[in-house]
Amino acid sequence: AQSVAQPEDQVNVAEGNPLTVKCTYSVSGNPYLFWYVQYPNRGLQFLLKYITGDNLVKGSYGFEAEFNKSQTSFHLKKPSALVSDSALYFCAVRDRAEAAGNKLTFGGGTRVLVKP
Amino acid sequence: GAVVSQHPSRVICKSGTSVKIECRSLDFQATTMFWYRQFPKQSLMLMATSNEGSKATYEQGVEKDKFLINHASLTLSTLTVTSAHPEDSSFYICSARGQVDNSPLHFGNGTRLTVT
Repeated sequence: AQSVAQPEDQVNVAEGNPLTVKCTYSVSGNPYLFWYVQYPNRGLQFLLKYITGDNLVKGSYGFEAEFNKSQTSFHLKKPSALVSDSALYFCAVRDRAEAAGNKLTFGGGTRVLVKP
Repeated sequence: GAVVSQHPSRVICKSGTSVKIECRSLDFQATTMFWYRQFPKQSLMLMATSNEGSKATYEQGVEKDKFLINHASLTLSTLTVTSAHPEDSSFYICSARGQVDNSPLHFGNGTRLTVT
């Protein structure tokens, strides 16, 4: 079984400050890891993914995430947050060995509020 | 980038009627599509996995006779909510994955269903 935990329901940050959204995962094998962002009444937009290789992954809109195998974490970061980054962020995992339908398991989501 | 089109974006229907939601991959072939349901301020709940040319695989607790899924081509999957009731009111989101194993899911913009 695979699972994802996003320990913070909401993160508040001032515009221009660094933003971190935490994510830890659990899989029986090796993971594919993803971050998505959701704006109100919209579907999810893909931000970035970790498949293999460099542990630091760079994605859309200046976001990056670091894969840490020993801590089973994949925290999302942005050096300088913008008000427009305010949204709902989801971390997701898929076990590479998962044979049944390539299911993606989502965390509970973290709401980010960037204040001017 | 890969685009998934979901239609309609909003629908209001009367209790007892059926509603069909379409999900199309516009610029790639999707052998597998996924249907999710999202309750307010909650994460996505996978309802079913739709495979082109075969029967959908439903998650535990999801009524297959109520939520009919058809995936007739590599670019189209439909979800029909039959005999809708107010408790079926929710935000339904489809997603599709390309044919490369580690491809991210691409999401439609969702359908807000309100059953009166």
